Amino acid sequence: GAGVSQSPRYKVAKRGQDVALRCDPISGHVSLFWYQQALGQGPEFLTYFQNEAQLDKSGLPSDRFFAERPEGSVSTLKIQRTQQEDSAVYLCASSSGTWNTEAFFGQGTRLTVV
Amino acid sequence: AQSVTQLDSQVPVFEEAPVELRCNYSSSVSVYLFWYVQYPNQGLQLLLKYLSGSTLVKGINGFEAEFNKSQTSFHLRKPSVHISDTAEYFCAVSDLTAGNTPLVFGKGTRLSVIA
Repeated sequence: GAGVSQSPRYKVAKRGQDVALRCDPISGHVSLFWYQQALGQGPEFLTYFQNEAQLDKSGLPSDRFFAERPEGSVSTLKIQRTQQEDSAVYLCASSSGTWNTEAFFGQGTRLTVV
Repeated sequence: AQSVTQLDSQVPVFEEAPVELRCNYSSSVSVYLFWYVQYPNQGLQLLLKYLSGSTLVKGINGFEAEFNKSQTSFHLRKPSVHISDTAEYFCAVSDLTAGNTPLVFGKGTRLSVIA
């Protein structure tokens, strides 16, 4: 596609519900990143994939957060048993190279846990 | 760990006036530096980046930034702003001394251009 596509754009979940957020990176991009952006804050790193390999998941806040990219393209971020503090915008980015080449961001998924 | 400080959370400025958005990062021998812009309900768009070479970096939409290693700063400037520049601006750094590391972002500066 022309850019990074994320779905859904908005998600309201009841506390305790599981959610899955999807990211379609730019075709052919090797690297994929997930960031969490709380209201009024800058994005914070969650996890990084190079092709299908998850090379860094140091930013995942708890074991309720899980990400996968099984075929090295589409990625899914799953949050189990959502809590109110999970409310944030989840941003996905992809790049053609590794960490420091230009990363292109999607529009994000705004998750609200009620 | 690397950190980024954006000294101003909000900057109001009149249209056609110059603007400077300040960014400081914690000291490191070798870093890559970035400025991103975020319009309402949009993702982040790269404005400019410093990887190496000239310390004055020019980006899109008439923005430029200067890398100052001694002051560990990377301030963003524009000589004349437009209403359309109203957005949130994020400074980010990647610390090369720790190997491949993810971008660390500041908390952002909201630029409001007043007609």
